[in-house]
Amino acid sequence: QVQWVESGGDVVQPGGSLRLSCAASGFIFGNYGIHWVRQAPGKGLEWVAFIWFDGSNQYYADSVKGRFIVSRDNSKNTLYLHMNNLRAEDTAVYHCAKDPGSWYYMDVWGRGTTVIVSS
Amino acid sequence: QSALTQPRSVSGSPGQSVTISCTGTSSDVGGYNYVSWYQHHPGKGPKLMIYDVSKWPSGVPDRFSGSKSGNTASLTISGLQAEDEADYYCCSYAGSHTLVFGGGTKVTVL
Repeated sequence: QVQWVESGGDVVQPGGSLRLSCAASGFIFGNYGIHWVRQAPGKGLEWVAFIWFDGSNQYYADSVKGRFIVSRDNSKNTLYLHMNNLRAEDTAVYHCAKDPGSWYYMDVWGRGTTVIVSS
Repeated sequence: QSALTQPRSVSGSPGQSVTISCTGTSSDVGGYNYVSWYQHHPGKGPKLMIYDVSKWPSGVPDRFSGSKSGNTASLTISGLQAEDEADYYCCSYAGSHTLVFGGGTKVTVL
């Protein structure tokens, strides 16, 4: 059974940094690309980033490009999201989601971890 | 990367059918057959319901069906059940290795 355990969410001041983690189990982690998707309070889902199965390529939404970096450690079955220069509008629940190999959709999602950017 | 347009809410009685629209542009929904739909109960991770416009993942009942015409995709829930009450989101490939979601639709079972 595919499972995600997300962690790292916290309250951080504007301009600050945070690292989110997603630990995976139940599948061969290194075979799949992974997405990050977020949901701000009262808002819809927003695609944030994607990393290839081997970490060789990453893609970002314009809203986070240049501030967020997605990485992975396949030896630890763990995905990361390094968030820098955080803004109030980054406040959201952040989900990791497995891509089945298509790039175009996500087949298993985590519950998410909450990031609050506030002074 | 503007969000796709979905109705804020739809409702129906048990056993009825409801349809949720998802309108984009020729740069996303209209340009690719890569529309997916997700069911989201608050506090849980979203669940994939439809991918590639009209395909079912394993375990999703065929009461859920997807279609697309031009720049608008649709999700139809037939034989509405109480457990279908949730938020639903469409998602489309938008080119240049990006994805775009809709604003979400709350489905209420009366």
